[in-house]
This record gives sequence, structure tokens and C-alpha cells, in this order.
Amino acid sequence: DAKTTQPNSMESNEEEPVHLPCNHSTISGTDYIHWYRQLPSQGPEYVIHGLTSNVNNRMASLAIAEDRKSSTLILHRATLRDAAVYYCIVKTVLCLTNSKLTFGKGITLSVRP
Amino acid sequence: GAVVSQHPSRVICKSGTSVKIECRSLDFQATTMFWYRQFPKQSLMLMATSNEGSKATYEQGVEKDKFLINHASLTLSTLTVTSAHPEDSSFYICSARDTGAEQYFGPGTRLTVT
Repeated sequence: DAKTTQPNSMESNEEEPVHLPCNHSTISGTDYIHWYRQLPSQGPEYVIHGLTSNVNNRMASLAIAEDRKSSTLILHRATLRDAAVYYCIVKTVLCLTNSKLTFGKGITLSVRP
Repeated sequence: GAVVSQHPSRVICKSGTSVKIECRSLDFQATTMFWYRQFPKQSLMLMATSNEGSKATYEQGVEKDKFLINHASLTLSTLTVTSAHPEDSSFYICSARDTGAEQYFGPGTRLTVT
């Protein structure tokens, strides 16, 4: 799986948009970009994933650079409940039974009221 | 959405005893389950991958005789920490996947060994 690089932490104000960057310069053509988040003392939670095109869901948007070497998770209006560690994971899906997730350190998002 | 439960959520045991943690997929059949461990202020580390009905595949450095994994049915996997010691104190998290690509995570089990 390709390595990802994220800043250690980021602060945001409540109800403002948040852009969480991720670099994955060694990504291969068939790697998917996944984002998970982990709230304190909880298991990780799926946020969004994409391959080439930008993706939107009820939780967030994922903007993928044209060369796919970086991506940005966008929270349109941060709430206090969005304070968590966000993990950007690039996953090589060789076959489904061997598709495991490798977690990095993630980025810790703090949201100010 | 898919729900994964873990039991117990918290457990304290004495050094030398064994503890079993259950992971259940409540509304789907999990062909593959994963077990992770997370130490304080660290990221999740994959311990092993188990496919229903077959032996688990352990990551490098994880002792298979110490961390026994059983995945006997499509909705249940168990992790048994044998002869637990204080250094095994950690947050243990399971995840489950059906025939799709996404993993659904359990809420975690906090193990404290005294």
C-alpha cells in the first residue's frame, strides 16, 4: 500500500469549512483513497473513499488532485462532534479477501466553539 | 448501516489470566474480520486477519499462540489474550467486512491487566 503523509494536527472554528490534506505521492493507478475518523475512545468510522473523481456524501467531500498524488477531505461545516483523528489511507485492493487497512498517525482535528 | 459490536467494552484482569473478546456483525455476514490493537496516543496496528472457517493470518511480530483468534461463524470472531500481562493492556478493536470492500469497525474493548 502507498504511504500517506498528513499534518499532525489542525484547528478549526465551529461552523466553518475544514480542509484536511493528505499526500500520497507513491499511489498506483488502482489504489483507492479512503478516509476514516476515530472519535475519542471509539473505533474508527468510515468517512469517504474515491479513486479519481471528486466524491461527495452526507458526511464530507473528497477532492482528488488530477495526478492523484494528493487529496483533501472537506468538512463543509465543522461541528464540535467532528473533533477526531482523521486517517487518510491508500489501499491496494489485490483481492477482497486480502484487502487490509494500514493506519498511519492521522491528523488530529480540534474544533473551537 | 452495518453494525459491529464488541463484548466486553471494558475488562480488567489479573496478570496471568486469559481474556476473551467477542466481535459480532449484527446485520450482515462477515466473511473477513480484522483485529487491531491501539496503545495510548498511537495509531491502530493490525494484529491479524481472519476469514470464516480458516486459520487467521497474523501480522509480523504478533504471537499467534498468545493471541488466539477464532472465526467459526459468519457473524462472530473471538480474540483470546492468553496469559495476559500488563504490557498487553491496550484498546482492542475489531472490524468486519462482507463481500464488499468497506470495513465496519466495532466500538473497541479496553483491556487493563493489573
